[in-house]
Amino acid sequence: AQTVTQSQPEMSVQEAETVTLSCTYDTSENNYYLFWYKQPPSRQMILVIRQEAYKQQNATENRFSVNFQKAAKSFSLKISDSQLGDTAMYFCAFKHTGANSKLTFGKGITLSVRP
Amino acid sequence: NAGVTQTPKFQVLKTGQSMTLQCAQDMNHNSMYWYRQDPGMGLRLIYYSASEGTTDKGEVPNGYNVSRLNKREFSLRLESAAPSQTSVYFCASSERRSHYSYEQYFGPGTRLTVT
Repeated sequence: AQTVTQSQPEMSVQEAETVTLSCTYDTSENNYYLFWYKQPPSRQMILVIRQEAYKQQNATENRFSVNFQKAAKSFSLKISDSQLGDTAMYFCAFKHTGANSKLTFGKGITLSVRP
Repeated sequence: NAGVTQTPKFQVLKTGQSMTLQCAQDMNHNSMYWYRQDPGMGLRLIYYSASEGTTDKGEVPNGYNVSRLNKREFSLRLESAAPSQTSVYFCASSERRSHYSYEQYFGPGTRLTVT
């Protein structure tokens, strides 16, 4: 079974600075998807970014980008120009490409953006 | 579109009571899921339904039952609530036939307390 590890429980960053959240995963499969979800204090789970394992190019969504290292099984999230609204829990998640395969989440990291 | 809706948003139960959490989605998705979120544990899958008429156990199914009432609705039932079931419950849906997006869309969550 696959596992997703987020080893940092908490991080803090100054507003307007850049922060990187780490995630590693373990799988024997070659094709899969990786996701970062954001959960603000409202509790709503919001998809931030996704990466298909077959794509070498790192995904980017505005201020959010990933560093996907397939050989190292690493999938980190970089947030540039941090904003107060980025304060939230962030979850890394993994899914095989099979139609009925399930999403496996890491334990999450709490990010605080300081004014 | 409302996306994924859940009722109720909050609930307090006494040990041994039963209740049903309701979930509905209006995105015509085939797959639906129930998760629980506990501090320091991330999201863990309770049950899922790959399509109307099918349900399968996830990682933590004990103490729960589910019903996929139709394509839109997927309910989670606690027959005899226990304090260990105090948690935040999320429903999610996804379109399993989409090649480009296996992302799951989440409801707002239900905070359940069992005393």
